[in-house]
Amino acid sequence: GAGVSQSPSNKVTEKGKDVELRCDPISGHTALYWYRQSLGQGLEFLIYFQGNSAPDKSGLPSDRFSAERTGGSVSTLTIQRTQQEDSAVYLCASSRQGTTNEKLFFGSGTQLSVL
Amino acid sequence: QKEVEQNSGPLSVPEGAIASLNCTYSDRVSQSFFWYRQYSGKSPELIMSIYSNGDKEDGRFTAQLNKASQYVSLLIRDSQPSDSATYLCAVNRGAGSYQLTFGKGTKLSVIP
Repeated sequence: GAGVSQSPSNKVTEKGKDVELRCDPISGHTALYWYRQSLGQGLEFLIYFQGNSAPDKSGLPSDRFSAERTGGSVSTLTIQRTQQEDSAVYLCASSRQGTTNEKLFFGSGTQLSVL
Repeated sequence: QKEVEQNSGPLSVPEGAIASLNCTYSDRVSQSFFWYRQYSGKSPELIMSIYSNGDKEDGRFTAQLNKASQYVSLLIRDSQPSDSATYLCAVNRGAGSYQLTFGKGTKLSVIP
């Protein structure tokens, strides 16, 4: 695709429910990243994929958070038993090869609100 | 704790002036440094990257890096109202790491 696509753009859920956030990276990009941006905070790294494997998932805040990537393309971030502190904008980014100096291309994000 | 610190602002400058944005980082092994611009309600976009000490210029933007002082800055010359945005400093944590650590950002407002 022309850019990184994320869906849904907005998600309102009740505390305790599970949510799935989707990211479709730029075609041909092997590296995919998930970040979280809370109000007034910087971007917080969650997980990095190289192809379908996740060599760095050190940023996932708890075992309620998981992510997978299939076919070296689409990724899904799942949050189980959502809590109010999970409310944030979840940003996905991709890059061509995942080298440390590469430019990240960000999607427009999913605004998650947990009531 | 690896941290990237920025003044949150807002930083207000008149149109045509030079805007100076500053960032300090705590991890001495950091290798790569980036400035992303984020318009309100939009996603971040890369505007500058710098890897070695000194200045790097690209159009109206100049990035400056001083690894000894653990300091990186972004200068915007001839500031325009369209430059009004939040500027995020990002630092790579070291060789072999794919994780960028972002500062909270400095909000810049260019007054016409």
